[in-house]
Amino acid sequence: SQTIHQWPATLVQPVGSPLSLECTVEGTSNPNLYWYRQAAGRGLQLLFYSVGIGQISSEVPQNLSASRPQDRQFILSSKKLLLSDSGFYLCAWSGQTEAFFGQGTRLTVV
Amino acid sequence: AQSVTQPDIHITVSEGASLELRCNYSYGATPYLFWYVQSPGQGLQLLLKYFSGDTLVQGIKGFEAEFKRSQSSFNLRKPSVHWSDAAEYFCAVGGRSSNTGKLIFGQGTTLQVKP
Repeated sequence: SQTIHQWPATLVQPVGSPLSLECTVEGTSNPNLYWYRQAAGRGLQLLFYSVGIGQISSEVPQNLSASRPQDRQFILSSKKLLLSDSGFYLCAWSGQTEAFFGQGTRLTVV
Repeated sequence: AQSVTQPDIHITVSEGASLELRCNYSYGATPYLFWYVQSPGQGLQLLLKYFSGDTLVQGIKGFEAEFKRSQSSFNLRKPSVHWSDAAEYFCAVGGRSSNTGKLIFGQGTTLQVKP
């Protein structure tokens, strides 16, 4: 069966520091992959998606970037974090009819 | 513009009472519709989905939802709420394409269950 792993689960980073969040999927090949962010008191917003290695689509302008170096690996990065980057980040992959989400990373920028 | 509205930010019900969470959407084409549940600090779990056919769909944990095209609604219901149902619930809409994870979410409804 397919599983999705996200790490770390929680992260506290100072303003201006770099960020790297990793997501990997097992049990499927060539999945569509997604990064969502959930800000406090708000719904989920799609940040990036990828339909294949090296193919990244950005949904909103921001301080973050994404990369897909391998078929089942999706990385969310930032060179310099802002306070507004705090939130709950969720990785997802989609099958034919639905999306499956990881457990999320709680990022607090201080 | 495509959007999902969950009018109720917070709902409190007594254990054993019935529940209805509202969801209205705006979408240019016939959408896929989903309800997800999120426990504190956790990822999202799919409760149910609607693609086509019978407008009343059954999901996990005793939940059901009804698609009403004329009202652009997809309300979630449960006849008898359990304390373990306390969580945040998200309605989402997606397109009928291969990019099934590209979803538009509502703001979420937090459900509190009183003993």
